[in-house]
Amino acid sequence: GQNIDQPTEMTATEGAIVQINCTYQTSGFNGLFWYQQHAGEAPTFLSYNVLDGLEEKGRFSSFLSRSKGYSYLLLKELQMKDSASYLCAVRDSNYQLIWGAGTKLIIKP
Amino acid sequence: ETGVTQTPRHLVMGMTNKKSLKCEQHLGHNAMYWYKQSAKKPLELMFVYSLEERVENNSVPSRFSPECPNSSHLFLHLHTLQPEDSALYLCASSQWSEAADTQYFGPGTRLTVL
Repeated sequence: GQNIDQPTEMTATEGAIVQINCTYQTSGFNGLFWYQQHAGEAPTFLSYNVLDGLEEKGRFSSFLSRSKGYSYLLLKELQMKDSASYLCAVRDSNYQLIWGAGTKLIIKP
Repeated sequence: ETGVTQTPRHLVMGMTNKKSLKCEQHLGHNAMYWYKQSAKKPLELMFVYSLEERVENNSVPSRFSPECPNSSHLFLHLHTLQPEDSALYLCASSQWSEAADTQYFGPGTRLTVL
């Protein structure tokens, strides 16, 4: 079967750095997405990785290792507004998105 | 962000009611999706329309019936639902290609079935 694993919940301090991991086992790979979802709102697109390495976009960076079936989302200089769920999704060989259950990130002052 | 809109935002219905959810995308995309989101579970893909043709139906019960009259509009018709169908229903759209397929979501309809 196809599977995406992420931690259920993480806690971090305002101003700090946090890394949210995602491991996947899918039939084929055609890219990995990270989305942010605030409570009661729509998921919003954060990043897309299809090649190995680090993609940086402001305070957020996303890393991919296809050989290890592993990605992480790195959030720097955490702000209270970063409190949200972070969803990892992998595009499989049929170009269908397989979603993780999401990681709820709690930021404390 | 008003690229994808959904109505209503909240819906309470009895098990014998018939209702419809509406989604509209203003992004010029060629694919639209219905997802079900339950607490602490991954997003479940229900239906996909590409170029107004349904290309995916992941064993969704027949009490859910999609309709895509054109590339900008998507409906989900509901009838004889069960309490376990209570969830957040999300619509998304994308410009589908093999190279990339970033999906953009609407705010969702929070459905409660009594």
